[in-house]
Amino acid sequence: AQSVAQPEDQVNVAEGNPLTVKCTYSVSGNPYLFWYVQYPNRGLQFLLKYITGDNLVKGSYGFEAEFNKSQTSFHLKKPSALVSDSALYFCAVRDGNGGATNKLIFGTGTLLAVQP
Amino acid sequence: EADIYQTPRYLVIGTGKKITLECSQTMGHDKMYWYQQDPGMELHLIHYSYGVNSTEKGDLSSESTVSRIRTEHFPLTLESARPSHTSQYLCASRGLGADTQYFGPGTRLTVL
Repeated sequence: AQSVAQPEDQVNVAEGNPLTVKCTYSVSGNPYLFWYVQYPNRGLQFLLKYITGDNLVKGSYGFEAEFNKSQTSFHLKKPSALVSDSALYFCAVRDGNGGATNKLIFGTGTLLAVQP
Repeated sequence: EADIYQTPRYLVIGTGKKITLECSQTMGHDKMYWYQQDPGMELHLIHYSYGVNSTEKGDLSSESTVSRIRTEHFPLTLESARPSHTSQYLCASRGLGADTQYFGPGTRLTVL
């Protein structure tokens, strides 16, 4: 069975500091991993994904994520946080070996608060 | 940028009313999804469709129903709204052979 864990309900960081939002996953096959961001009263916006290839994936708004197979992790990072990065972040996983019918499983979300 | 639309964006309605939440996408995506997002912000899949005339129930039991008569349209209906249905409803779609789901802006439903 697929699962995703986001161990932190909230991450607080000062503007200009690096940020990390953690995500670990469990799938039986090859993981397809995603990060989405949600601003208040909005839908989810796609940030980046890992399917195959380079373990370091770069996405929108200066975010990047590192796929670590041995630790089954896909942490989201940004070198220098902005106040406008404050939002709810969701990690998601799909089993790539399961075919097109496999559903996307979301983590519980992490609220990122960037203080000026 | 994804072209997926949801109407209305906000809806306040009384108990017992029938409502339909609209979701449309102009990308020709075959797969479409409905999620319910509770106040704790977790996302729960309630319905999905892999194409016209295909609908399946998701992981979270829901009293709502869906239909998929046209590729671009995936409406969700509540026959008799109750306060427990108060939530945000998010629609998403994914193209054939594609990996990424794209989301609409959501409908925030309040049932009094």
